[in-house]
Amino acid sequence: DADVTQTPRNRITKTGKRIMLECSQTKGHDRMYWYRQDPGLGLRLIYYSFDVKDINKGEISDGYSVSRQAQAKFSLSLESAIPNQTALYFCATSGNSGNTIYFGEGSWLTVV
Amino acid sequence: EDQVTQSPEALRLQEGESSSLNCSYTVSGLRGLFWYRQDPGKGPEFLFTLYSAGEEKEKERLKATLTKKESFLHITAPKPEDSATYLCAVHGSSNTGKLIFGQGTTLQVKP
Repeated sequence: DADVTQTPRNRITKTGKRIMLECSQTKGHDRMYWYRQDPGLGLRLIYYSFDVKDINKGEISDGYSVSRQAQAKFSLSLESAIPNQTALYFCATSGNSGNTIYFGEGSWLTVV
Repeated sequence: EDQVTQSPEALRLQEGESSSLNCSYTVSGLRGLFWYRQDPGKGPEFLFTLYSAGEEKEKERLKATLTKKESFLHITAPKPEDSATYLCAVHGSSNTGKLIFGQGTTLQVKP
């Protein structure tokens, strides 16, 4: 079983719909992240959380929100999806040193 | 501003033909340079972390090296299964855990 699990793995949604991507981890890490990957733009940080009570914006947080339900769970929401949010989304985790970050398998999101 | 540039964007090699991938970086207070491998449609897979100039790490046919301005990922006698996109990232001085990624080098190894 994967240490960092994302659901759903693939989703097609319509413009204006609310969509949630969920992430759970079994690595026992305190730090969790959401990244977005677009062709030609690389990986960009959306939000990160150092523990259950800590939420921080990354470089591209507009249009997104997150919830840290437990140490092992971190979800990303698009309140009103738009086509330019079509991308591959990755959840990731790291230990308290924050150095090595481990990624999930990704969630393909298409907004039509 | 922290920045990472990888070259070349794409590299085609014959099986057994050794080569190197480059990662140039500018960051204030390097807290780690990371190499990841990413297969199409999959999440980046951690390969190495380097912390200081002169450090080297090896894994099978891969060897990563670090200087004060760049890192190299040397691939010795590659095999077709080494085909993937290789990502370089740096962790700067801010304690956000934020990695700054390069655009990646897509490697294709032909049999």
